[in-house]
Amino acid sequence: DTGVSQNPRHKITKRGQNVTFRCDPISEHNRLYWYRQTLGQGPEFLTYFQNEAQLEKSRLLSDRFSAERPKGSFSTLEIQRTEQGDSAMYLCASSRAGGSTGELFFGEGSRLTVL
Amino acid sequence: GENVEQHPSTLSVQEGDSAVIKCTYSDSASNYFPWYKQELGKGPQLIIDIRSNVGEKKDQRIAVTLNKTAKHFSLHITETQPEDSAVYFCAASKGPPGYALNFGKGTSLLVTP
Repeated sequence: DTGVSQNPRHKITKRGQNVTFRCDPISEHNRLYWYRQTLGQGPEFLTYFQNEAQLEKSRLLSDRFSAERPKGSFSTLEIQRTEQGDSAMYLCASSRAGGSTGELFFGEGSRLTVL
Repeated sequence: GENVEQHPSTLSVQEGDSAVIKCTYSDSASNYFPWYKQELGKGPQLIIDIRSNVGEKKDQRIAVTLNKTAKHFSLHITETQPEDSAVYFCAASKGPPGYALNFGKGTSLLVTP
């Protein structure tokens, strides 16, 4: 399968703990995005990378959130000192810069539950 | 920032009927309007998109129309089938391809046999 892969698919943690999600994009895609989706809502943009450079961050991305894409391939999203309000589905997407369309290819998401 | 409103939030149609979902956007600089379909337990998948220099685009049973003056765009699905049942999201973006998307809240479409 050459789609976007996210791990873990589900994570349950206690408030105050740190969690990390990993995203492996489609191999030839140099843009990578993180979105957050809560129940009954559309995805909300968090941040995006072109290669290893983080080009944009939403104001939703508080200081407790950090994303990296060290070699321009996979990316990690870390949430420190989790709060119950962080419970959501974290979606990763990738695309090819310079492509003729703006299509984002989404993974199946990592669902976070903070108790 | 950009605000995308989507209506209705739920829509139930009989198989074979048409379904229409409408969205409005607030930022006149937006120039790219995709529609995504999300099935249970999966990530959103692009079904059709339109750019601001085009008024209408069609792909088999799916069409999208754009009215830049009124800042609204619509998704039309004809001859609906049960497999069309899913949540549909509209989105808007004002950057080049791949720029951050602002999504609506979604429409849950149910097609009954």
